[in-house]
Amino acid sequence: AQSVAQPEDQVNVAEGNPLTVKCTYSVSGNPYLFWYVQYPNRGLQFLLKYITGDNLVKGSYGFEAEFNKSQTSFHLKKPSALVSDSALYFCAVRSYGNNRLTFGKGNQVVVIP
Amino acid sequence: EAGVAQSPRYKIIEKRQSVAFWCNPISGHATLYWYQQILGQGPKLLIQFQNNGVVDDSQLPKDRFSAERLKGVDSTLKIQPAKLEDSAVYLCASSFKGGAGTEAFFGQGTRLTVV
Repeated sequence: AQSVAQPEDQVNVAEGNPLTVKCTYSVSGNPYLFWYVQYPNRGLQFLLKYITGDNLVKGSYGFEAEFNKSQTSFHLKKPSALVSDSALYFCAVRSYGNNRLTFGKGNQVVVIP
Repeated sequence: EAGVAQSPRYKIIEKRQSVAFWCNPISGHATLYWYQQILGQGPKLLIQFQNNGVVDDSQLPKDRFSAERLKGVDSTLKIQPAKLEDSAVYLCASSFKGGAGTEAFFGQGTRLTVV
């Protein structure tokens, strides 16, 4: 069965500092990896995805993520965090042959002014 | 481009009552998903449609939950009878096609409280 682990419940970071949200996954076969963000009382918004190719993926709002096959990780990063980045972030995975999108439990990001 | 529309936004019902949620996906999107998001957890897939056919309903509690997408466009999810543990946000999502590398676009969700 495929699964996603987001080990930290909350990530606190000062505004202007680099932001990293961690994600590791487990699948059979090649993974398709996604990051979504959820603001209060809003649905999930797609940020970026990795399908194949370059291990560094760039997405919306200045976010990027690095796929590491050997460590089965797909960490989300932003070089300089903004207060408006405070939200709940979800990592998700699919695999070829298992079309179900499986989500992690989410990480609350708090950017401190 | 209009997003995924869901209604109602909020619903409070008593246990053993029934409730229905409606979803209208993004125009042209063949794949429609219903997810359940319990507080503090990630979304869990309940059912996935490809046009008006069911692709995956293995996590749908079929003794009380049902869903349909009769014309391959909008969809309804019903719970009958509701239990306290059904309190959650119900998210509808759609994608242009159902391939593994295709991202889904989510609606704002319906927050259900069962008392």
